[in-house]
Amino acid sequence: ETGVTQTPRHLVMGMTNKKSLKCEQHLGHNAMYWYKQSAKKPLELMFVYSLEERVENNSVPSRFSPECPNSSHLFLHLHTLQPEDSALYLCASSQELVETQYFGPGTRLLVL
Amino acid sequence: AQTVTQSQPEMSVQEAETVTLSCTYDTSENNYYLFWYKQPPSRQMILVIRQEAYKQQNATENRFSVNFQKAAKSFSLKISDSQLGDTAMYFCAFMKHEGGGADGLTFGKGTHLIIQP
Repeated sequence: ETGVTQTPRHLVMGMTNKKSLKCEQHLGHNAMYWYKQSAKKPLELMFVYSLEERVENNSVPSRFSPECPNSSHLFLHLHTLQPEDSALYLCASSQELVETQYFGPGTRLLVL
Repeated sequence: AQTVTQSQPEMSVQEAETVTLSCTYDTSENNYYLFWYKQPPSRQMILVIRQEAYKQQNATENRFSVNFQKAAKSFSLKISDSQLGDTAMYFCAFMKHEGGGADGLTFGKGTHLIIQP
């Protein structure tokens, strides 16, 4: 596989479920990002990792928990989400923090 | 904080025509990067073009070119010889150079471009 991949592509979960989103980049990049894309709102940055260290947390609720075990993988652990958390979650990576970001295809999440 | 404004929610042109998408931004930074991304119905966000603020020359990628006016804080995208495959949401995005990646990209709300056959 090439580029940035995300699994699953679609996810439906209840408010009491625990699930995880996975992102993998095959570009040899050192930085990875989670963005949230809701209907009628601009994309919002959630988390940034550089060399596996979190460098930014944009006041995201604690029901979202990121994990970056190595520079190629990024996870977003979901716990007791709300219906308003339904959105497209996009992962991106870049060579360095100020370099161009390349995006994965996204996970479309529906919280019931 | 930076803001990015795309004032055209939707545009529609005929195939082979030229179309220009508008973007303005507000920042106090002097060094930064500007981007246009395309998001087709598949929802995959695809880089179209990138411009460094310190470069006076406008970036060009095949049929895509930008008109970067730093003083006016304007960054428009021109698509020449438009094709059906250009139908997508187009997002203008800003990233500051100083610690930029740590703040990620700031996106506009997007312009839905429809290319009619």
